[in-house]
Amino acid sequence: QVQLQGSGPGLVKPSETLSLSCAVSGGSISGYYYNWIRQTPGKGLEWVGYVYHSGGTNYNPSLKSRVTISVDTSKNQFSLKMNSVTAADTAVYYCARGGRTLFGLIYFDYWGPGMLVTVSS
Amino acid sequence: DIQMTQSPSSLSASVGDRVTISCRASQSMSSYLNWYQQKPGKAPKLLIYAASTLHNGVPSRFSASGSGTDFTLTISSLQPEDFATYSCQQTYSAPFTFGGGTRVQIK
Repeated sequence: QVQLQGSGPGLVKPSETLSLSCAVSGGSISGYYYNWIRQTPGKGLEWVGYVYHSGGTNYNPSLKSRVTISVDTSKNQFSLKMNSVTAADTAVYYCARGGRTLFGLIYFDYWGPGMLVTVSS
Repeated sequence: DIQMTQSPSSLSASVGDRVTISCRASQSMSSYLNWYQQKPGKAPKLLIYAASTLHNGVPSRFSASGSGTDFTLTISSLQPEDFATYSCQQTYSAPFTFGGGTRVQIK
């Protein structure tokens, strides 16, 4: 059974860098897209971006200038770094695996439990 | 960005009821549409992908249809464990976007 488990600090100061990791267990990391999604009461679910197992990335343009997503296949984990955070980045952050159909549709089939990250001094 | 609009935003229903949730995209996106179920304090769970394909282990009372801009999720006979929020998601083009969610509450 595939499991994703996120980790990282729950409190980040404004203007600093948010760093989260997600460990993947129970399956090969190859062949999938590894996503970060965040959720707030006001904006709902917002896709942050993904990294493919080989390292290719795709980011939400609204966050692209501040976000880096990377993968470490040797450790079966992927990471999110978001710099220059503000209170607007306070959210529950989820990591999720993305599978892909033969015609290219991506779907998020396994999710980590979510991590509340608060941006506050 | 493709905007996803769900309706209704919430509904009240009883166990055994048939429930239908709609999702409309701001542009045509073939069948690149997924549905998720989320319970309070938990991560979303994949129910349906590619507009109508049931994910592994999802009960057959869940079904979905649609293509282009209009999509529907149906629960044929609502069960107690189905009270949750349901969200659609498009992965036709990045940025992938979600609908605002439909909260299914107990009547």
